Amino acid sequence: AQRVTQPEKLLSVFKGAPVELKCNYSYSGSPELFWYVQYSRQRLQLLLRHISRESIKGFTADLNKGETSFHLKKPFAQEEDSAMYYCALKVGYNKLIFGAGTRLAVHP
Amino acid sequence: DGGITQSPKYLFRKEGQNVTLSCEQNLNHDAMYWYRQDPGQGLRLIYYSQIVNDFQKGDIAEGYSVSREKKESFPLTVTSAQKNPTAFYLCASTGQRGVGTGELFFGEGSRLTVL
Repeated sequence: AQRVTQPEKLLSVFKGAPVELKCNYSYSGSPELFWYVQYSRQRLQLLLRHISRESIKGFTADLNKGETSFHLKKPFAQEEDSAMYYCALKVGYNKLIFGAGTRLAVHP
Repeated sequence: DGGITQSPKYLFRKEGQNVTLSCEQNLNHDAMYWYRQDPGQGLRLIYYSQIVNDFQKGDIAEGYSVSREKKESFPLTVTSAQKNPTAFYLCASTGQRGVGTGELFFGEGSRLTVL
């Protein structure tokens, strides 16, 4: 079955603390994974994709095929990182399935 | 201003009524999508269309219908057969470069409440 699991509904940290938002997937094919973010009163938008191996706004995510994970990490959280984060898996040519999302709250 | 426009933002409906949500894009994108967003469940795919006059069911298509008569437009009808229609609906699109790269562009959403 194709599935994306984000086990945490809410992650609450203080400013400057490290952040790790967990994402696990189930897919029989070669996985392509993404992180999307929705800031307050803004549209859902792409944050980063595993294939680019890029760092966006200090966030990185590494695909671990052995553990079927794609956790999102940032060494020092900022208040402006507070948002809803969704992990997504591409299945087929142009279809994305999303996890349930994790709300990140960064406190001053 | 380029982008995806969903309307209306808020909609109330009585039980037993059909309602149509509008989604228009001027990004010249080929593929368009409808997702339903519920608290604690994330986004679930209702229908998607890769090209005009063609569309496919997503994971939760029952009780919904779509059409794709124009490249720019992908309206979603929530029928009376949908058992739990109260939700937030998101429309998205992607172009030829986006297709395969996984980058979807989303609208602001429409919140449907059934009274």
